[in-house]
Amino acid sequence: QSVLTQPPSASGTPGQRVAVSCSGSSSNIGSNTVTWYQQFPGTAPKLLIYNNNQRPSGVPGRFSGSKSGTSASLAISGLQSEDEADYYCAAWDDSLDGAVFGGGTKLTVL
Amino acid sequence: QVQLVQSGAEVKKPGSSVRVSCKTSGYTFTSYLINWVRQAPGQGLEWMAIINPSDGRTWYAQRLQGRLTVTRDRSTGTVYMDLSSLKSEDTAIYYCARLGAYREFDPWGQGTLVTVSS
Repeated sequence: QSVLTQPPSASGTPGQRVAVSCSGSSSNIGSNTVTWYQQFPGTAPKLLIYNNNQRPSGVPGRFSGSKSGTSASLAISGLQSEDEADYYCAAWDDSLDGAVFGGGTKLTVL
Repeated sequence: QVQLVQSGAEVKKPGSSVRVSCKTSGYTFTSYLINWVRQAPGQGLEWMAIINPSDGRTWYAQRLQGRLTVTRDRSTGTVYMDLSSLKSEDTAIYYCARLGAYREFDPWGQGTLVTVSS
């Protein structure tokens, strides 16, 4: 049971816009920044979004993040087949004094 | 470039211990905290611990307290993760990751598969 709640799956067709939600509480998302990671099978997670909505260099502008209250969202516009991967949200939790993750969302490009 | 390179896969018996190393390069070792995160087969990510390489202070996930020890060697820029009293549920890929200014994990090591089986 993950501390942050994500839908287990999401899907879209090429060119579509897809959003992945992440729900937490006042001790994590409500009081700390949200980070998103992308993971392909057999590889380590890769930083996708940090500080709620910032993209590291090299991450396409099609990826965007937002946060409101105790929830966050990752949006992918102009969906491409290479976006098919697992996506995880994360935040620091002040009560647990450590990082917490969502259970991950498997994105399928139809 | 910044790199975190981990030691190779391990197979361990239940009740034994395992050590995984994470060798850093490309930056000042004492300037960034290092985390350990694990991922059981087909499962999500679980944060385990964090170490400050500058003074060696550590913070552990409560459920792993007492079994987990994280240390560092400043002379080689390497962080070590020791997990004892291994159980089958500890079978996972273990990752080290550097902590950024906004508490983001970046970059990650390549991962080390630890299999616990009798």
